[in-house]
Amino acid sequence: DVKVTQSSRYLVKRTGEKVFLECVQDMDHENMFWYRQDPGLGLRLIYFSYDVKMKEKGDIPEGYSVSREKKERFSLILESASTNQTSMYLCASTPGDRERGYTFGSGTRLTVV
Amino acid sequence: DAKTTQPPSMDCAEGRAANLPCNHSTISGNEYVYWYRQIHSQGPQYIIHGLKNNETNEMASLIITEDRKSSTLILPHATLRDTAVYYCIVRVAGAAGNKLTFGGGTRVLVKP
Repeated sequence: DVKVTQSSRYLVKRTGEKVFLECVQDMDHENMFWYRQDPGLGLRLIYFSYDVKMKEKGDIPEGYSVSREKKERFSLILESASTNQTSMYLCASTPGDRERGYTFGSGTRLTVV
Repeated sequence: DAKTTQPPSMDCAEGRAANLPCNHSTISGNEYVYWYRQIHSQGPQYIIHGLKNNETNEMASLIITEDRKSSTLILPHATLRDTAVYYCIVRVAGAAGNKLTFGGGTRVLVKP
């Protein structure tokens, strides 16, 4: 089975800190995604990448950046964490050329204090 | 992506079949129907998808009407572990960067 692994399940950071959320997938998927999920707002796309060193903005990229230096790893970076970035962060991947479903990681619940 | 409509919640008895409806009356010819579920505090899990024909896998069956304007996800023998929010999504398959838009979903509670 495809696995998408997120490095931390729970994370607590202080306002202003630089935060790195790591995501690794083991099935050679081209596409990788970062979403955040908040009550009443559903899943919102932050950034996605369809190839190494490629990145595209999603619906809410402000305050975030990403890095994809290797195909299997997609990192989300909060440049200066703020309390409104407290959320559940979900990483997902999918093959590039087929209609397969997305595979999600277990999520990282980030709290910014 | 076409919009979907699902009932907000439903209960199901353990061991019985759970039939989850979804309306997608504005679906386009190249859009697939996908089903995901999300168990509390976990990431969404892919269940099944289809274009025109009915589909079955080890988790569920997907029945799509002939006009493709609605579909039903069937969990043949619901267990307590099937308690989750189930999302029906319609989207073009295989398009890089084509975001996944989750609606409200159906909150399914499987009762003993």
